Amino acid sequence: EPEVTQTPSHQVTQMGQEVILRCVPISNHLYFYWYRQILGQKVEFLVSFYNNEISEKSEIFDDQFSVERPDGSNFTLKIRSTKLEDSAMYFCASSTAVPYEQYFGPGTRLTVT
Amino acid sequence: AQSVTQLGSHVSVSEGALVLLRCNYSSSVPPYLFWYVQYPNQGLQLLLKYTTGATLVKGINGFEAEFKKSETSFHLTKPSAHMSDAAEYFCAVINTGGFKTIFGAGTRLFVKA
Repeated sequence: EPEVTQTPSHQVTQMGQEVILRCVPISNHLYFYWYRQILGQKVEFLVSFYNNEISEKSEIFDDQFSVERPDGSNFTLKIRSTKLEDSAMYFCASSTAVPYEQYFGPGTRLTVT
Repeated sequence: AQSVTQLGSHVSVSEGALVLLRCNYSSSVPPYLFWYVQYPNQGLQLLLKYTTGATLVKGINGFEAEFKKSETSFHLTKPSAHMSDAAEYFCAVINTGGFKTIFGAGTRLFVKA
């Protein structure tokens, strides 16, 4: 069964550094998403992406964040200058259409020290 | 603004007992509703969904949920709990035409032998 994959599974970085989290969505999906889950808290929407542009974003997704689909398979989330409060699990998801079910990847745990 | 409320951050049942996890949503239009399960250190797996049609929906692992528009509820049930059901369960909503999934805070289910 096709699945969303994410790399790395765990990333440790120092405050102020840039990180790029990578995702490979399911191949025939057209809509892509990033969510985050701070330890012990709810899953929060960050951004959705369709047709090479952001379709919706939350208040969390400020200028420090960016997304890109650099080729036909990858979908990336970049955090320009990480802060301690960016430490969280980041989930990528994809869907064939909206508002259909979203398929989630296993997540990348980001630890900012 | 849309929101999802899950009553009870922790629910404990005995093996073989009924599982009932409560979810209420607020939405100005009929939403699309989902239940996801998250096992420790894993991603989010879709249990079941309601989009249109029959209000009682069946999902994987013997779970089902009923959409009650008059009560704005989408409670998750399973007739007989199994030890393997111990996990965190998230109720979620997407507005029709929306790109964003809004999650509830989650309910951790404990199953006692």
